Amino acid sequence: AQTVTQSQPEMSVQEAETVTLSCTYDTSESDYYLFWYKQPPSRQMILVIRQEAYKQQNATENRFSVNFQKAAKSFSLKISDSQLGDAAMYFCAYGGNRDDKIIFGKGTRLHILP
Amino acid sequence: KAGVTQTPRYLIKTRGQQVTLSCSPISGHRSVSWYQQTPGQGLQFLFEYFSETQRNKGNFPGRFSGRQFSNSRSEMNVSTLELGDSALYLCASSSGLAGRVNTGELFFGEGSRLTVL
Repeated sequence: AQTVTQSQPEMSVQEAETVTLSCTYDTSESDYYLFWYKQPPSRQMILVIRQEAYKQQNATENRFSVNFQKAAKSFSLKISDSQLGDAAMYFCAYGGNRDDKIIFGKGTRLHILP
Repeated sequence: KAGVTQTPRYLIKTRGQQVTLSCSPISGHRSVSWYQQTPGQGLQFLFEYFSETQRNKGNFPGRFSGRQFSNSRSEMNVSTLELGDSALYLCASSSGLAGRVNTGELFFGEGSRLTVL
């Protein structure tokens, strides 16, 4: 079964600095999708960034980028120029081809220090 | 376009009771997924429905059930509530690529916060 592991329950970063959130996953599939979702204190989860496993190029969305290492099964999220609005729970997620479901990690709570 | 709507937002029940939660997906979305969120376990997958059919189910006891109607609205039911069922229940809809949910973006509702006393 596929699993997603986020080893950092909480992290803090100074405003305007860069922070990297870690995620590893386990799968026997070769084709799949990886996601980072953000859940602000108001609770509604939104998609931050998506990576297709067959694409070697790392996905980027404005200040958010990923470091996708397929062989190592690692998928980290880098947030540049951190802003107060980035404070949230961040979930790493996996979507395989065999099941119609997306599996989430336990999340990393990110604090932004002014 | 209206987002995903979940009702009720908050509810309190006692052990042994049952509860029904409702989810209205984004118009045009035919896939609805349900998750249970607790502080220690993160998001755990409950089940996913597409065109009124349950396509996938997580590792939850049979007390947890769901269904989807022809208008794509979905309900989940928990019978014989236990203290451990206290959680935020999240619903997410997706258009999916060719009906598949794993490839695309999930759009979440604000959740239903269930407290079991």
